[in-house]
Amino acid sequence: QKEVEQDPGPLSVPEGAIVSLNCTYSNSAFQYFMWYRQYSRKGPELLMYTYSSGNKEDGRFTAQVDKSSKYISLFIRDSQPSDSATYLCAMSPRGTYKYIFGTGTRLKVLA
Amino acid sequence: KAGVTQTPRYLIKTRGQQVTLSCSPISGHRSVSWYQQTPGQGLQFLFEYFSETQRNKGNFPGRFSGRQFSNSRSEMNVSTLELGDSALYLCASSFGPSGNQETQYFGPGTRLLVL
Repeated sequence: QKEVEQDPGPLSVPEGAIVSLNCTYSNSAFQYFMWYRQYSRKGPELLMYTYSSGNKEDGRFTAQVDKSSKYISLFIRDSQPSDSATYLCAMSPRGTYKYIFGTGTRLKVLA
Repeated sequence: KAGVTQTPRYLIKTRGQQVTLSCSPISGHRSVSWYQQTPGQGLQFLFEYFSETQRNKGNFPGRFSGRQFSNSRSEMNVSTLELGDSALYLCASSFGPSGNQETQYFGPGTRLLVL
């Protein structure tokens, strides 16, 4: 079993939809949780970074962490065609930059 | 502020050769990590450097090595290339050492094709 599980998609939604992306993990030592967006042939771009359980909002993006269930989510409101990309969750224990990534979910927002 | 830069962006090599990839972190950042990204395995951690010292290493064979210079620039080397080494190699930088737990910013990557 992988330490981090993420549905690879692809996920197709109409423009304006609310998108929910999820990851589950098995290592209770993970303390830091990140979401990255990666466009084709580009490096990952940091979207959200959170430490504690609960919600963190940044514009149209909301990151949610539930440590008791070992489950994290990223919500995208009012999705746009420009949001079409692969979304990667990443997590790490305290004291290391050795991030463990999910396999990524491919999202396509249709105009 | 310039982002993380990686050179070269694309590289074609043949089996058995060796390759050196370069990464310049964001100005002021002293920590550099390397990752390998393949369609099958996703992003996998290679190693992390801070102040010219390797702090963490992933589960890759000894053919993969790296170093960091006093100006924080980093290089990674892969010797005796295999077909399976074809991948996007990503460099990420952050300000402090991993104990500070600041987040990492990725470069555009070097796409390596081994024939």
